[in-house]
Amino acid sequence: ILNVEQSPQSLHVQEGDSTNFTCSFPSSNFYALHWYRWETAKSPEALFVMTLNGDEKKKGRISATLNTKEGYSYLYIKGSQPEDSATYLCAFKAAGNKLTFGGGTRVLVKP
Amino acid sequence: DTGVSQDPRHKITKRGQNVTFRCDPISEHNRLYWYRQTLGQGPEFLTYFQNEAQLEKSRLLSDRFSAERPKGSFSTLEIQRTEQGDSAMYLCASSSPIWDDNEQFFGPGTRLTVL
Repeated sequence: ILNVEQSPQSLHVQEGDSTNFTCSFPSSNFYALHWYRWETAKSPEALFVMTLNGDEKKKGRISATLNTKEGYSYLYIKGSQPEDSATYLCAFKAAGNKLTFGGGTRVLVKP
Repeated sequence: DTGVSQDPRHKITKRGQNVTFRCDPISEHNRLYWYRQTLGQGPEFLTYFQNEAQLEKSRLLSDRFSAERPKGSFSTLEIQRTEQGDSAMYLCASSSPIWDDNEQFFGPGTRLTVL
């Protein structure tokens, strides 16, 4: 059984502040690490697919880093806005096609 | 809209009834996945199709669950004799090895409530 953990489970951020949270995953049999943003009543939206150790990806104010040797990834939100409020999911992919998700980090940005 | 669609979006049923959900993947995607998300948890893999072939099933998929993809396009997930523990969000995703084997595109889900 693969263990993918996200922390914290939830966090409140003041508008304009930056924040980050963690995804930990098995360091063996790594193929890819996915980040999704899931807003209520919408489809989970793919943010990043990361495959190489040391990868850093950026999309607007959101960025992510990857360390496959120690089995963790960080997601950063710079200058949080209310529209960043969502649940952020990471998912580990070993060889094969299924994704193993963490429990998510629920972010609430307060105006 | 050319994304993944799911129908219905919400389903309320009584314990013991059968329910069926439908997923329409992105048209050129030959891979289709079903996941289930319960409250406070991340989505959990249920099953996976490549074209019409069901290639992998999770142990979570009890014998009351059956999934089909008869023509390699849309898929259905049926739950027989529903139980309260089946209450969850059922998510469908699709992908294509032609475009990017890694990326799975999700639908909005079907939320099932079993009373």
